[in-house]
Amino acid sequence: AQSVTQLDSHVSVSEGTPVLLRCNYSSSYSPSLFWYVQHPNKGLQLLLKYTSAATLVKGINGFEAEFKKSETSFHLTKPSAHMSDAAEYFCVVGDSGNTGKLIFGQGTTLQVKP
Amino acid sequence: GAVVSQHPSWVICKSGTSVKIECRSLDFQATTMFWYRQFPKQSLMLMATSNEGSKATYEQGVEKDKFLINHASLTLSTLTVTSAHPEDSSFYICSARGLAGARGELFFGEGSRLTVL
Repeated sequence: AQSVTQLDSHVSVSEGTPVLLRCNYSSSYSPSLFWYVQHPNKGLQLLLKYTSAATLVKGINGFEAEFKKSETSFHLTKPSAHMSDAAEYFCVVGDSGNTGKLIFGQGTTLQVKP
Repeated sequence: GAVVSQHPSWVICKSGTSVKIECRSLDFQATTMFWYRQFPKQSLMLMATSNEGSKATYEQGVEKDKFLINHASLTLSTLTVTSAHPEDSSFYICSARGLAGARGELFFGEGSRLTVL
C-alpha cells in the first residue's frame, strides 16, 4: 500500500531564508508524487508533481522538490521564503493504477516570520 | 487553468436535516470526481470516487447511505449529507479529472464548510 509521511507538523522560518518541508513515501511501484498547498479555508493548489521524468521537479512560486528513490524521499524546498508562503502543505502520492485517487500526508504548517 | 467550483462555500444546518453540496467543473468535462473530507487541522481523507453515469465507489468506513453522491453529468457531482449530525461538521472538498483519462490532471474545488448545530 502507498503512504506518505510528512516528518514535521510545523515549520517556522524567517522571511528570506530557505524552506525545507520533508516527506518520505512508501510505495511498491514507481509512484506519482505531488505537493499541494492550502491556504486557510481554501481548496488545494498544485505546487508540483513528479511522474517518473526528471528527478528534480520545479514548481510554481519558486518551489522545487527532488525525488530520491534510494531515500524514498520527496522533500520540498524554496531558496527564500515569502510571507505569502505561510500555509498548509501536503505531500501526496497517487495510488497504483493511476485511478486518480490521492493519498495525503498529514500536512506541514509553514509559518513565515517577518 | 481549469476551474472547479463548489457550492455552497459555507453552510450551517440543524441536526437531522440534509445538506447538498455541488461540485462543478466550469471549463472542462470531468469523467471522474473525488470527494474528500477534512477535519480541522487534519489531512484530507478520500470519501468516494464518483464516475459520470455510474454509482459512486466509497472508501472503507464511509457510509454510502449517509453520504449520497450523484454524478449525473460530465460537469456536476453532488454530495448530500443526509440526516446530518454535529459529528458530520467538516470541510468537504471535491476534485475533478478531465477526459484525458488516467493521466488527466486533477483540479480541486475551494471546499465547502459544513457546520451542523
